[in-house]
Amino acid sequence: DTGVSQDPRHKITKRGQNVTFRCDPISEHNRLYWYRQTLGQGPEFLTYFQNEAQLEKSRLLSDRFSAERPKGSFSTLEIQRTEQGDSAMYLCASRGSGLAGGEQFFGPGTRLTVL
Amino acid sequence: AQKVTQAQTEISVVEKEDVTLDCVYETRDTTYYLFWYKQPPSGELVFLIRRNSFDEQNEISGRYSWNFQKSTSSFNFTITASQVVDSAVYFCALSLDGNNRKLIWGLGTSLAVNP
Repeated sequence: DTGVSQDPRHKITKRGQNVTFRCDPISEHNRLYWYRQTLGQGPEFLTYFQNEAQLEKSRLLSDRFSAERPKGSFSTLEIQRTEQGDSAMYLCASRGSGLAGGEQFFGPGTRLTVL
Repeated sequence: AQKVTQAQTEISVVEKEDVTLDCVYETRDTTYYLFWYKQPPSGELVFLIRRNSFDEQNEISGRYSWNFQKSTSSFNFTITASQVVDSAVYFCALSLDGNNRKLIWGLGTSLAVNP
């Protein structure tokens, strides 16, 4: 049983470029979350999928951000026209539908640096 | 509104000391879930424990123990006989009942265990 994987692990880009990150959840987990974490802070919720449906988006997710989860398996997070303020660690987590309040398992994250 | 407060920003101890990390939460919901995660220098968030609001039993797992007190809205974490490998940032988090269950995070406590 593999854990949550994310790709790439690191991304350096210039301001104004578009970037896309991928998350592969634990295979039997139908719930998927994206969070963003900046240095010295706790993670902040960005968006939530149940299967392929995006059920919640944070107001932090501006119109430059879009996330998808086609077929309810892997998910992508795209940032268009990146800004220096987008520099952060982008974390993906997945959760199964079994236990109430079940824990989320996190991937290693994608660290984005916008120059 | 929901909130998690970890008042201790940084703690430094010498190996074999006991250390307690404090967590205070705010919510008006009667059903909620509390979590602790560990984030070592590698960056990946590691799940440690989940506690449901209707279960106030304390829990011990090896050198780790957790004290949940609804009367004071606290969910404190104690490491007994700390080791250098315990050095990490520890996050307390809260999620509410419902299909989303996004995590609301504290700012984390950075623990340094020195030899």
